[in-house]
Amino acid sequence: DAGVIQSPRHEVTEMGQEVTLRCKPISGHDYLFWYRQTMMRGLELLIYFNNNVPIDDSGMPEDRFSAKMPNASFSTLKIQPSEPRDSAVYFCASSQTARSSPLHFGNGTRLTVT
Amino acid sequence: GENVEQHPSTLSVQEGDSAVIKCTYSDSASNYFPWYKQELGKRPQLIIDIRSNVGEKKDQRIAVTLNKTAKHFSLHITETQPEDSAVYFCAASRAEDKIIFGKGTRLHILP
Repeated sequence: DAGVIQSPRHEVTEMGQEVTLRCKPISGHDYLFWYRQTMMRGLELLIYFNNNVPIDDSGMPEDRFSAKMPNASFSTLKIQPSEPRDSAVYFCASSQTARSSPLHFGNGTRLTVT
Repeated sequence: GENVEQHPSTLSVQEGDSAVIKCTYSDSASNYFPWYKQELGKRPQLIIDIRSNVGEKKDQRIAVTLNKTAKHFSLHITETQPEDSAVYFCAASRAEDKIIFGKGTRLHILP
């Protein structure tokens, strides 16, 4: 298995632009998580899905952030409009169950908003 | 919701010595405690985990202990080596629930 695949690896955009991050989880994994990593706040959980259904989006910072999972093999995290404070590394992770299996992280997307 | 505190934020130890990282959690219903290692520029990867029905688990040079009464758990690395230099994250979760991470400990192994 190729593991969790994220794209793009790096994204540089100007403030106010729309940004879309993409994730392909490991086949057969029922759970998909989006995390944001910064030096100040560490790894923050933004949202997670179970069987393509959003379960908890309480970590989504504000209405500018949205996430979808239209099928078992694809998810997107969208920021519109983007702001400089959104600059971070965004990780997607998947697991077979939320409890008994480890999280498998993708390589992350480093987002820079200027 | 769950809150995980991790200490210290930075730790430097001499190569060959032991390193200990400590975490506390707030939700007494949490029953799964994994530890992840993140090397510079890489993704976090699971190194060891423990469930609430055991107090200690070892895997070669790495061990984790859990005190459910006090709601804290610790990572112990013995005979540290240069490749142990990384950021380590503890985490906690309840059954079928989200995994919440501590803020990480940057471990430096000094030659």
